[in-house]
Amino acid sequence: NAGVTQTPKFRILKIGQSMTLQCTQDMNHNYMYWYRQDPGMGLKLIYYSVGAGITDKGEVPNGYNVSRSTTEDFPLRLELAAPSQTSVYFCASSSGELPDTQYFGPGTRLTVL
Amino acid sequence: AQRVTQPEKLLSVFKGAPVELKCNYSYSGSPELFWYVQYSRQRLQLLLRHISRESIKGFTADLNKGETSFHLKKPFAQEEDSAMYYCALLYNFNKFYFGSGTKLNVKP
Repeated sequence: NAGVTQTPKFRILKIGQSMTLQCTQDMNHNYMYWYRQDPGMGLKLIYYSVGAGITDKGEVPNGYNVSRSTTEDFPLRLELAAPSQTSVYFCASSSGELPDTQYFGPGTRLTVL
Repeated sequence: AQRVTQPEKLLSVFKGAPVELKCNYSYSGSPELFWYVQYSRQRLQLLLRHISRESIKGFTADLNKGETSFHLKKPFAQEEDSAMYYCALLYNFNKFYFGSGTKLNVKP
């Protein structure tokens, strides 16, 4: 089992560019999450999904979009990148059954210049 | 609104000393709390959850509803415990709120 995989590991974007962060899990988990972590801060929830075709906003959704067409994949789209989106992005998944455990990907370090 | 506060950004102790990482929460519902850990060059992973009342790697955490706290404790710290520790609150059934983290440094 690879668990949760994320690509790319690193990326530098120019202001106004767009990109998609990929996230895939092979644990057949229904729940998937995207977080961002700014330096010295905790993880903040951007978007989450409770199953294929169902997504919802977290704390900080502005500037991002997601889709969930399959159970395995949960890509995060950045449109019109801004310096404020410079962060480390983590994808996570969980079964949704209590007591719940989140399984995290290795993260994507994104810099917007 | 839900909140998780970890007041210490950095905690340094000597090997063999007791360690306590503080976590306070604010939540109107019944809290489900977790500690996650990130070792150097590894991904974030679950350390323990209060509902399981478990001890993992010598760490324990007790939920104190009166003080709204979920402090992580270990009687004798080891160098391999050096890592970032995050307290997390499960709310609205399927969302997690993470604290800002405490970096534990165990000195030889």
